Amino acid sequence: SQKIEQNSEALNIQEGKTATLTCNYTNYSPAYLQWYRQDPGRGPVFLLLIRENEKEKRKERLKVTFDTTLKQSLFHITASQPADSATYLCALDISQAGTALIFGKGTTLSVSS
Amino acid sequence: GAGVSQSPSNKVTEKGKDVELRCDPISGHTALYWYRQRLGQGLEFLIYFQGNSAPDKSGLPSDRFSAERTGESVSTLTIQRTQQEDSAVYLCASSLRGTSVYNEQFFGPGTRLTVL
Repeated sequence: SQKIEQNSEALNIQEGKTATLTCNYTNYSPAYLQWYRQDPGRGPVFLLLIRENEKEKRKERLKVTFDTTLKQSLFHITASQPADSATYLCALDISQAGTALIFGKGTTLSVSS
Repeated sequence: GAGVSQSPSNKVTEKGKDVELRCDPISGHTALYWYRQRLGQGLEFLIYFQGNSAPDKSGLPSDRFSAERTGESVSTLTIQRTQQEDSAVYLCASSLRGTSVYNEQFFGPGTRLTVL
C-alpha cells in the first residue's frame, strides 16, 4: 500500500545543534515534496517545496534534500533554537496535478536551551 | 484579515446530529482543500475544489460527508448523522492554483469537532 513515514514521533535536541528529520515514502513517484510546520492548536504552515529534479533547497537555517532513488527527503534545521520546537510534516503530491497531498504523521521536535 | 478562516473553532455535537463547517479561503485563491486530522495522526485528504471544475471527492470517507463551494469563495463541509469516529480537527486550506508550482497551501486554524 502507499505509505509515507517520518522517522520518529519525537526528536529532542539541544539548542545550537542541527536537527535532522527524515521522510520516507513507498510506491509514489511524486513530482515534488513539501515540508510544513504545525504548532499546537494551529493549522500547518508551509516551509519549503522541493521538486523531483532538485537535489537540495535552502531557506535561511532550513535545508531540504530530495533523493528520488532512495525515496527519501531529509529536513535540516541548523543552529536550532527553542522557537523551532513544533511538529514538522512532510507532504507528497500523489496526483501529478497537485490536487491532493498525502501528509506524514509528523515529527515533533523539541529544542531545549 | 488575509488568511484562511474557519468557523466554528470548536463544535460539540451529539451522535446522529448533522454538522456544517465553514471555510473562507484567501481571496483570489482558486484551489480549496479540506483535511481531517485525528489526534496524533497526520492530515487526511478529504476533498479538493479547483475553480469551476468538478471537485475531487476521492478522500471522503463515506457518503455522510459532503462539501460545497460557491465559485471561488466560501466552502462548507457537511457531516450527516455524525459518529464518534468523526471527532477530529477539520482543516481547510487554499492555494493560488491547484498546480505543483503554485500549490503552497495556506491553512486555516481548523474546527475541532467532538461527537459525544
